Amino acid sequence: AQTVTQSQPEMSVQEAETVTLSCTYDTSESDYYLFWYKQPPSRQMILVIRQEAYKQQNATENRFSVNFQKAAKSFSLKISDSQLGDAAMYFCAYTHSGNTPLVFGKGTRLSVIA
Amino acid sequence: DTGVSQNPRHKITKRGQNVTFRCDPISEHNRLYWYRQTLGQGPEFLTYFQNEAQLEKSRLLSDRFSAERPKGSFSTLEIQRTEQGDSAMYLCASSLRAGVLNGETQYFGPGTRLLVL
Repeated sequence: AQTVTQSQPEMSVQEAETVTLSCTYDTSESDYYLFWYKQPPSRQMILVIRQEAYKQQNATENRFSVNFQKAAKSFSLKISDSQLGDAAMYFCAYTHSGNTPLVFGKGTRLSVIA
Repeated sequence: DTGVSQNPRHKITKRGQNVTFRCDPISEHNRLYWYRQTLGQGPEFLTYFQNEAQLEKSRLLSDRFSAERPKGSFSTLEIQRTEQGDSAMYLCASSLRAGVLNGETQYFGPGTRLLVL
């Protein structure tokens, strides 16, 4: 069974600084997708960024980028120029191709210090 | 394009009562998923549909849980004879379909928070 591990329960970052959230996963599939979702307190879960396993290029979305290391099964999220609005729970998630259900990590709570 | 909607947003019930939650997916999304999230944890998959067909239901937590999507549009999740351990956030998500751009991406609703007293 696929598993997703987020080893950092909590992280903090100064406003305007950069922070990296870690995620590792375990799968025997070759075709899959990885996601980072953000869940602000008492608010809706929203997609931050996605990565297709067949793509070697790391995905980027404005201040958010990933470091996808397929051989190491690692998928970290880098947030640059952190803003107060980035404070939230961040979940790493995996699905293999075919629109199968997501497998989530336990999340990392990110605090942004003004 | 409206997002995924869920109703009600909050539900308080007494132990032993039945509750039903509704999810309306993004239009044209043919896959719909239900997850449960307890405090401090990541969402846990319960069941999912492709159109009206329920593709997986073995992960429903017990036979007190059931879900349907009768016309391939909205879905309902029912919990019968609720227990205090059922207290959680119930999340719904939808996705378009595999093979199209971003077809595998799941978009989440705001969730229904259930409290069983």
